[in-house]
Formats: sequence, C-alpha cells, structure tokens
Amino acid sequence: GAVVSQHPSRVICKSGTSVKIECRSLDFQATTMFWYRQFPKQSLMLMATSNEGSKATYEQGVEKDKFLINHASLTLSTLTVTSAHPEDSSFYICSAREATDRVTLSAFFGQGTRLTVV
Amino acid sequence: GENVEQHPSTLSVQEGDSAVIKCTYSDSASNYFPWYKQELGKRPQLIIDIRSNVGEKKDQRIAVTLNKTAKHFSLHITETQPEDSAVYFCAATLGTYKYIFGTGTRLKVLA
Repeated sequence: GAVVSQHPSRVICKSGTSVKIECRSLDFQATTMFWYRQFPKQSLMLMATSNEGSKATYEQGVEKDKFLINHASLTLSTLTVTSAHPEDSSFYICSAREATDRVTLSAFFGQGTRLTVV
Repeated sequence: GENVEQHPSTLSVQEGDSAVIKCTYSDSASNYFPWYKQELGKRPQLIIDIRSNVGEKKDQRIAVTLNKTAKHFSLHITETQPEDSAVYFCAATLGTYKYIFGTGTRLKVLA
C-alpha cells in the first residue's frame, strides 16, 4: 500500500505553546488528507478534511482557530495545535488518499503523533 | 448526521475459533466500507474492504459481507490466531471520501 509519514511521533510541549504536526504522502500525490484525534481505547474522531490548495473543512465542534490546517502541496498537510492546553493531549493521526485513485477509495494512515501538553 | 455503529466493543475467542464483528451505517449513499486493524500504539492498517456493488469479499482467513438493504456489513475472521488480537475499526465512506469510523472492537484471541 501507499506510504504516509507523520512527524513527530511524540511531542511534549508546555501549555500555551503551539505544536505543528506534519503528514506526508511519500510515494503518491494526495488531493485530500484527513486529520483524526484518538483518545485512549476509543475510535478515530474525524477533525477535518484537508484539501490541497483550499481551506480545510472542519467537523462540527472542532475549533478551526485552535487546530490550523494547511495543505500546501499534494504531498504535505500540516496540523498546528495553537495555544495548547492539557486537554489537547491526545493521539493525532492523519490519513491520505491518492489523487488519481477513483477506484479503490482506500486511505492510508500515518503513524500518528502522541501529543502531551504539560 | 452520518453514523456508524459497531458491535461488540470487546470480543474474546479461543484460538482457532471464528470472530464476527458487525457494523451498521446510517447514510444509504455510503459506497465503500473498509476495515482497519490497529495494534496498540500503531497506525490503523487496512485489512479488507468492500464496495457497495459487491455482497461479499474474501481474502484468506478474512471476509467481509455487505447487506445494502439493511445497511449492515460484517467482518469475519476464521481460524483466529493470537496475532489477530487488536482493535478493529469499520468505516463507511460517502462520495466526498470522508470516512466515518465505527467505535472499534477489541478482539482478544486466547491461546
């Protein structure tokens, strides 16, 4: 399957600071990338859909000013958690679909980022 | 809104037995149904998928069935092995390719 790389895998930051997470498709071009948040022993909660060259579409209840998404190219999307607080501590994971893939609709996940805000 | 229900939340089976996980989706426009396996601390891995124009698909010990009328789809794992222990997520996608995930099933295969 296609390879999606997410960086960093772990980050600890102080409350009030911002953290940027990168999601890259390594061997394919991704028109659309998705950002999820996963709490311990829970499902993947879709936060936003990131479209290359346009504004991200946020799910209900997700603060767009809090979670800034930039999809500047067909291989890179970034999620910035601004003014992080301890309640933002979570596992954040991205997924991407190949731009030319109109058949399988498969999406592939990055390895996730465990964010701890202290 | 879109919703995917998944049952059971936990499932324990003896090694060699079969495991079945069921999902129900709400949006009849959904047209693609993948299943992911997630081991602790790792990314979800696609294990099998099915499109809305197919009723069943099999890949070795894993099979998925789809009932469009009832809006149900199920994952079947036969001859379970300890390495099958993980959390399994179903998902349903709409034309926008947005995935809506089920709540997950923690499968334990007892040796």
